[in-house]
Amino acid sequence: EAGVTQFPSHSVIEKGQTVTLRCDPISGHDNLYWYRRVMGKEIKFLLHFVKESKQDESGMPNNRFLAERTGGTYSTLKVQPAELEDSGVYFCASSPIGVGYQDYEQYFGPGTRLTVT
Amino acid sequence: AQSVAQPEDQVNVAEGNPLTVKCTYSVSGNPYLFWYVQYPNRGLQFLLKYITGDNLVKGSYGFEAEFNKSQTSFHLKKPSALVSDSALYFCAVRGLPFRGSTLGRLYFGRGTQLTVWP
Repeated sequence: EAGVTQFPSHSVIEKGQTVTLRCDPISGHDNLYWYRRVMGKEIKFLLHFVKESKQDESGMPNNRFLAERTGGTYSTLKVQPAELEDSGVYFCASSPIGVGYQDYEQYFGPGTRLTVT
Repeated sequence: AQSVAQPEDQVNVAEGNPLTVKCTYSVSGNPYLFWYVQYPNRGLQFLLKYITGDNLVKGSYGFEAEFNKSQTSFHLKKPSALVSDSALYFCAVRGLPFRGSTLGRLYFGRGTQLTVWP
């Protein structure tokens, strides 16, 4: 079974430019999460999709960040325009939806390291 | 509010010795606790979780964690460390369900860098 994949693995852009990160979850996983880790700090939640719907986007830092999940499959996270403080590692995770109050672990991708100069 | 604290940025231990990576948590309601490990240039890998039941949880690669409700702790342990265990370890607690969803976000600690020397 293929794991969660993310593209690109690294991205270096200048302040003011636009970057789009992509996440392909494990096939059949309806839950998809985006997280971010700024260097040396904790991993912070950004948002949660259930299929194509945004279930919780309370962690999105501001309106420069736009996440989509077309058709409930892969997801993209666009940062426009990028600022210096957006630098960090962006992780995507997925998990299945269970029946009732299930507690499946989240499966993480390798992350995209974004550097804004 | 949910939060996790990993009080040690770094833990160093000699190969063959026991290791402990500390984690304390704060939650509303029952805690659902997780440990993840990140090897260099890799994503986070799930190690183990506590949902309910026995306080001692066994996970991958010989790791185990002890849930202590009175101390609100979930320390990660291994009886005999290996050099290959050197990695970044994250403790996480699962948040409350949101808007009817049965699965909430994870709240992570800052991570603890474990170094095992030969």
